[in-house]
Formats: sequence, structure tokens, C-alpha cells
Amino acid sequence: KAGVTQTPRYLIKTRGQQVTLSCSPISGHRSVSWYQQTPGQGLQFLFEYFSETQRNKGNFPGRFSGRQFSNSRSEMNVSTLELGDSALYLCASSLVGQGGYNEQFFGPGTRLTVL
Amino acid sequence: GENVEQHPSTLSVQEGDSAVIKCTYSDSASNYFPWYKQELGKRPQLIIDIRSNVGEKKDQRIAVTLNKTAKHFSLHITETQPEDSAVYFCVYTSGTYKYIFGTGTRLKVLA
Repeated sequence: KAGVTQTPRYLIKTRGQQVTLSCSPISGHRSVSWYQQTPGQGLQFLFEYFSETQRNKGNFPGRFSGRQFSNSRSEMNVSTLELGDSALYLCASSLVGQGGYNEQFFGPGTRLTVL
Repeated sequence: GENVEQHPSTLSVQEGDSAVIKCTYSDSASNYFPWYKQELGKRPQLIIDIRSNVGEKKDQRIAVTLNKTAKHFSLHITETQPEDSAVYFCVYTSGTYKYIFGTGTRLKVLA
């Protein structure tokens, strides 16, 4: 079974631009979560999607948004980029079973650099 | 609100010794407590998890204990090996599909 994939792997943008990152979950996984990873702040939860619905979101400004498509693929968008948005953006997918939470499988991440 | 504190931030142990990492959470909504390991330059991977109806779970050299009354859960690694060197994250899961990662513990196993 193919793992979680993310595109692009690396991205360089300038302040004020916007960016769209893509995540393809493991086949059959309908839950997709996004995280921002920085050396100073660790892994911070951005949002979680299930069946095209955002079920929860972290404490990030409205410049960060996302969506999920009917095939469970997800995108996140960051508008009006700031220098502080430079980070590794990870997505993770999981099965949603009767017990609720299950193991999350992470993608390789997209390294975003804002100049 | 939802918050998880993880200690220590760094931990150095001699090969063969044990390592313990502890996380404390603030509210009581979570029923699922996973631990992830992230090696340098790699993605996080689940190493063990525990649900709230169990107090302890073991998988070879790794164990997790959960004390819901005291609101803390701990990762125990015995007989540490150099390949255990990594950053370990505890995760607090809120009742509404929100994953709160601890700040991470950088474990160094000295040969």
C-alpha cells in the first residue's frame, strides 16, 4: 500500500505571496490532518478533515486554510506569506474506526521557505 | 483548555540504561494517548499508544503507562540502544479530533 505523499517537497516563496500544498492520504484513509513543524515550536496542529469537512482546527490565523476533496486528497493554503511561516508542513492520514482515534501515518512533508 | 507538557526536553543515557519521558495534560477529554518517534530528517512514526481503559501497555522494550487520575502518561524505554536516539513526542487527543503534540524530548543514547 502506498504511503502518504505530499507535493511539492520544497518550496521557496517571498513575503506576501500565497502557497498551496497538497497531500494524498493512504488509500482508504478518510481523515487527514495538517501540522506545522518548526525548531522552536515543535509540531503544531493546523486542522483535521474527514469526508470533506473540517472537524477541528488549531490556533492559527485565518491566512491558513484547507480543504479536502471527495477522494480524501487534501490541500492547505497559506495566503499573504510571512517570514515566520517558514517551516516543514506535514500531513498525516488515518483510518477512522469505531474506537475513534487511530494511528496517524505521516507524509514526508513540504519544506516551505519564505524570503 | 487542552494542553500537554512534556519533560524532559533532552535526555542522555548510556546504552543499556532505561529512559523515561513524562507528559502531563490539563483536561480530561482524551481517551487515546499515542507516542511518536521522529528520527533526524524523517517523518514521525507511531511507536506505541494506549487507550484510557488500560493502565499500561508494553511492546518489547517500550512501555507506556497512563494515570488518568493524576492526568499523566509516560513512555519507558528499557535496554536503550543507539538506534533509539531520536525525538519523542507524546500526543494528547481532544474529544473533537484535535491532536496536541508535546514539545518533544530529544533522546541521546551514548555508546
